[in-house]
Amino acid sequence: SQQGEEDPQALSIQEGENATMNCSYKTSINNLQWYRQNSGRGLVHLILIRSNEREKHSGRLRVTLDTSKKSSSLLITASRAADTASYFCATAGTASKLTFGTGTRLQVTL
Amino acid sequence: DGGITQSPKYLFRKEGQNVTLSCEQNLNHDAMYWYRQDPGQGLRLIYYSQIVNDFQKGDIAEGYSVSREKKESFPLTVTSAQKNPTAFYLCASSIGSGSGELFFGEGSRLTVL
Repeated sequence: SQQGEEDPQALSIQEGENATMNCSYKTSINNLQWYRQNSGRGLVHLILIRSNEREKHSGRLRVTLDTSKKSSSLLITASRAADTASYFCATAGTASKLTFGTGTRLQVTL
Repeated sequence: DGGITQSPKYLFRKEGQNVTLSCEQNLNHDAMYWYRQDPGQGLRLIYYSQIVNDFQKGDIAEGYSVSREKKESFPLTVTSAQKNPTAFYLCASSIGSGSGELFFGEGSRLTVL
């Protein structure tokens, strides 16, 4: 079953703009992670935020977590063409496995 | 370099045939996972293993089988009982339990002719 739902499903922006994508989930979590997938490739881990954290930064990435609303957002600042990819959130609950959302396809144009 | 190697990258199969996808890791990770990804969809967990000689069913285990005889290896067999096997299959590993960061292979694309 899919735990997370990303929004929007697809996003097209110009280089230099910021990209924001959201993730909503249904049950309590220990942490939430964001991954990136280039077309036809494996996923790459971007950032992990624990349930007791509200915000985390890594380079041009900013992740927020609101456990009361069961939602998270990923902000990519100053987007580049190389940021074009699909982005997935994944939640870790009490079971020893991650559950992935449906993904946001980001297109960054020159 | 340390990482996860999946093979083959592309695989074609006739209906009724079993096929085995290979996944090898040299990261010394305890846990390994198999996910299935359909076009435009997220990842769904097929099987996972937290230790050698032990594995658990994920959300969509029917029609699949796995083994974990060595720490480094976690092969996935797609059996003829899997009704819709055409998909992109991803193997992953993690240091401990499944709540930490996953390291993924490059995937295997299976097409049933």
